[in-house]
Order: sequence, then structure tokens, then C-alpha cells
Amino acid sequence: EVQLVQSGAEVKKPGESLRISCKGSGFSFTNYWITWVRQMPGKGLEWMGRIDPTDSNTNYSPSFQGHVTISVDKSISTAYLQWSSLKASDTARYYCARIYGSGWPVDYWGQGTLVTVSS
Amino acid sequence: DIQMTQSPSTLSASVGDRVTITCRASQTISRWLAWYQQKPGKAPNLLISEASSLETGVPSRFSGSGSGTEFTLTISSLQPDDFATYYCQQYNSFPYSFGQGTNLEIK
Repeated sequence: EVQLVQSGAEVKKPGESLRISCKGSGFSFTNYWITWVRQMPGKGLEWMGRIDPTDSNTNYSPSFQGHVTISVDKSISTAYLQWSSLKASDTARYYCARIYGSGWPVDYWGQGTLVTVSS
Repeated sequence: DIQMTQSPSTLSASVGDRVTITCRASQTISRWLAWYQQKPGKAPNLLISEASSLETGVPSRFSGSGSGTEFTLTISSLQPDDFATYYCQQYNSFPYSFGQGTNLEIK
């Protein structure tokens, strides 16, 4: 069974750092890109970026470039999304999902990680 | 970057109705368009890829069409389980972008 299991909810203060994770199982992790999608409370889906686990090549949306870092540890089939300095506006649910490659859609999603940033 | 514009933002309809949601791309994306359904508190679910290819297990009342810059998602006869939010997404080029969503609600 394909699974993308994300780390649990986080409550952080502005300025703090954070790394959330997404562990894949039930499929060949290096055959798929991992993408991250933000959903702010009551709002729509925003594509943040993607990583290719074979070579860690990344693409970011300009809206998120420089504010987040996507990384991967293919030895443990886990992708990460991290912030060095959180803002209140980072409060959202973050989904990881997989993409087979260029010309393929997102076909499977994790359950989401809720990140709350509040002083 | 490619902008995706969905319309309408909200659609009120009744069980049994035929409904259509439109998605427009700011530049041509060939047929690299997907449709997702999202229910409250859940992750999105892929319905249609490559503009019109129905995913396995998705009811045949869902259909997609279009190419280039204009696309549609049609539900032929609404069922109670279909009331949700629908998103289009282009995967022609990075950054892959979503439409703003269409909230399909019960009239």
C-alpha cells in the first residue's frame, strides 16, 4: 500500500526554525518526485516546490524561494520541508505528495501537517 | 509563471444537476491539466489527469475536456458525495500552479 506519512502538528513562535517530514512507503521512493503544497486556513492550494530524490534537484515557486528549503534523505525514503525563521503567516497545513515525473500529475498525497506559528 | 483561473468560485447546485467548472491558463499548457477534489479536513484526491483521463475508481459521471488554455470539469448528475471543493492544476511547467478552487455546495 502506498503511503506518505507526515510528521505531526507543530506549534511554534515567530522566528523559530522548523523541519517537517514526509516518509514514503509502498513504492519505489526514488522513482517519484516529492512536492510540497501549502493550504492556509480556509484557503486554496499553493504549490511550493518539488525535489527529485535521485539527485536532490529542486524547483521552487518564486513565492516560496528563499523562505523554505526542501530536502530529502533517500536512504530512509523521507523528504523534508524546513524554515529557518517562521512567521505568523506560515500558519497553514502543509501537504507532501508524489509525482511520477515530468508530464505526470500529483497522484498521491500525505495526510498533511498543521503548522501553527503564534507568539 | 502560468496563472490558473477557475470559475465560478462558488457553485450552488442540487443532487441530480449537471454542473461544469471552467479553468483557464494564462498561457498554453497543451493537455497537462489535472483536476482534484478536496473534502474538508482531507487531502485532495486526483480525479482527472491529462485534461480528460479519468483516474481508476473515479465515477464515470466525472469528465474533463479542453486543451491549450481552456478546460472544463463536468459532473453529469451530482451525487451527495460530490459536494466538495475542486481544483485544477497545470503541470506543464514549473512552478506547477493551482486554480483558486471552486466550492460546490448544496442548493
